[in-house]
Amino acid sequence: SAVISQKPSRDICQRGTSLTIQCQVDSQVTMMFWYRQQPGQSLTLIATANQGSEATYESGFVIDKFPISRPNLTFSTLTVSNMSPEDSSIYLCSVGGGTYYEQYFGPGTRLTVT
Amino acid sequence: GDSVTQMEGPVTLSEEAFLTINCTYTATGYPSLFWYVQYPGEGLQLLLKATKADDKGSNKGFEATYRKETTSFHLEKGSVQVSDSAVYFCALNTGNQFYFGTGTSLTVIP
Repeated sequence: SAVISQKPSRDICQRGTSLTIQCQVDSQVTMMFWYRQQPGQSLTLIATANQGSEATYESGFVIDKFPISRPNLTFSTLTVSNMSPEDSSIYLCSVGGGTYYEQYFGPGTRLTVT
Repeated sequence: GDSVTQMEGPVTLSEEAFLTINCTYTATGYPSLFWYVQYPGEGLQLLLKATKADDKGSNKGFEATYRKETTSFHLEKGSVQVSDSAVYFCALNTGNQFYFGTGTSLTVIP
């Protein structure tokens, strides 16, 4: 299984600012995913990030609000732009792969917007 | 469309009690099925998996059997411990996308 780290682990940000979350994997992976988990809720997929191509966003998420970079096979960033209190969530990156298509998750970034 | 329906919580059990968390799914084709666990303040960890009908996934005393006839993947543990207190997510992968259940919060009291 892949070992995934995220930075920062948590942050408190002011309304209207932006935060970039980093996701680092200890091995090369093709597909990386970004999820949002609102308090007490399940996971919602924001986008799929493949190296060398534009990220694919799910319905309800747009690139202007959540720009994603994927510069190589071990790293990705998600930016939460022009934040509002409704963006307060846990943001998780994950990687796909393995024989049975399981996903492995990072520890998450806990974002609070005031 | 594809989906996962999971037993609502929260669930509170005494230590050494038997645990069942129900999960049923709707999917076209033959999905892989998973249980993930999220301990307080942490990310999701893969607990167990099954890839075809009648497969039994097991880990850390937890078990789940892939039942195609009932489209279910219920999580069970014979004797829970306080350290099992967490949120449990059922999930499926159709090969195109992952679908997660809403999560079931488990609290085990001594």
